[in-house]
Amino acid sequence: SAVISQKPSRDICQRGTSLTIQCQVDSQVTMMFWYRQQPGQSLTLIATANQGSEATYESGFVIDKFPISRPNLTFSTLTVSNMSPEDSSIYLCSVEVVGSSDTQYFGPGTRLTVL
Amino acid sequence: KQEVTQIPAALSVPEGENLVLNCSFTDSAIYNLQWFRQDPGKGLTSLLLIQSSQREQTSGRLNASLDKSSGRSTLYIAASQPGDSATYLCALLNSGRRALTFGSGTRLQVQP
Repeated sequence: SAVISQKPSRDICQRGTSLTIQCQVDSQVTMMFWYRQQPGQSLTLIATANQGSEATYESGFVIDKFPISRPNLTFSTLTVSNMSPEDSSIYLCSVEVVGSSDTQYFGPGTRLTVL
Repeated sequence: KQEVTQIPAALSVPEGENLVLNCSFTDSAIYNLQWFRQDPGKGLTSLLLIQSSQREQTSGRLNASLDKSSGRSTLYIAASQPGDSATYLCALLNSGRRALTFGSGTRLQVQP
């Protein structure tokens, strides 16, 4: 398994500002992903965080709005830029751990409220 | 494109009852299927993972089955307890893809 931490756990932000969310894993991982869960909804994949290269974004998500970094095997950041109330969601980091038979593990999430 | 549906959307049962949660999917070319639990405002806890070559997995009071040909999975919870109250999500990993596709979830409430 893996222990995944996310910072911050929650935040309340003003419209037009940006927030960077950090994801740290205690194990070597093969893949890291960022998901969004809007209120009352299920999870939607934002992007796959690739080590040392640009993230791979899903349809409807763009790098200018959600820039992602992954400088090493165990750490990634997601920035939510120029926020609006529609960005209010839980943002979750997930990982696939080496030798875990493709099981994916999730962080505790970051609850973002945009006023 | 894979589509995942979970029925029912919400379920309320008295403590001690056995129950079944359903998950259906449109693309049978899956690599594995995971069931997760999510408590309100929290992250996801992995409950069971079924590889595409398997038919079922068991952990304690939980049993998950997979029928790829019919595009269905079920999560069986025996002797339900109030602590089982949560949202249960099924998620699929399609062959050739590394990220999960999630269903909309079933919100379970077990009444003491």
